[in-house]
Amino acid sequence: GAGVSQSPSNKVTEKGKDVELRCDPISGHTALYWYRQSLGQGLEFLIYFQGNSAPDKSGLPSDRFSAERTGGSVSTLTIQRTQQEDSAVYLCASSLQQGLGEQYFGPGTRLTVT
Amino acid sequence: AQTVTQSQPEMSVQEAETVTLSCTYDTSENNYYLFWYKQPPSRQMILVIRQEAYKQQNATENRFSVNFQKAAKSFSLKISDSQLGDTAMYFCAFVPWGGGSRLTFGEGTQLTVNP
Repeated sequence: GAGVSQSPSNKVTEKGKDVELRCDPISGHTALYWYRQSLGQGLEFLIYFQGNSAPDKSGLPSDRFSAERTGGSVSTLTIQRTQQEDSAVYLCASSLQQGLGEQYFGPGTRLTVT
Repeated sequence: AQTVTQSQPEMSVQEAETVTLSCTYDTSENNYYLFWYKQPPSRQMILVIRQEAYKQQNATENRFSVNFQKAAKSFSLKISDSQLGDTAMYFCAFVPWGGGSRLTFGEGTQLTVNP
């Protein structure tokens, strides 16, 4: 079946603009995760969803970042008033059930803030 | 809180040879999963192998095997008969059993397989 998909693949935006990143998890996966991968920062957790609720959003770096998930499927990560330090690859992952094993990753969105 | 450490930022190996990547972790959990993920230049994170902490037997997947030492909190990855396509960044990752399912990643090891 289809894997995790993310769009856009690449996004270049000007400082101060808002961006939306989309993630389509594997069908039937109830848990969805967002991570950020920056040069020199490694992989950092942002938020995870179980169904449509977000029990853990402690990794969101500031109130400019928000995420939602609708219908237990698609998730959108929104970054408002983007800053240059937001430049990174944003990875989405899904798993069949919370805490029961491996997460399957999408190809990521490379965000560049100029 | 959990931490994962990969002490080898870069490694290289000749094609067809064997290489071992190191990973140590720290946790107070008794039940958990450990993973090795591979990230080639395409940046797609690919699961290579997983290990459940309650299993004493080391996991194997074709040319990939692990040496899991629970008491020492060590989880190394051995790649046998290395192939050019194994060139990638390799990440060790931890997740506790049950709730709080964020993956905690190590810093990564860049593996280059030379022809």
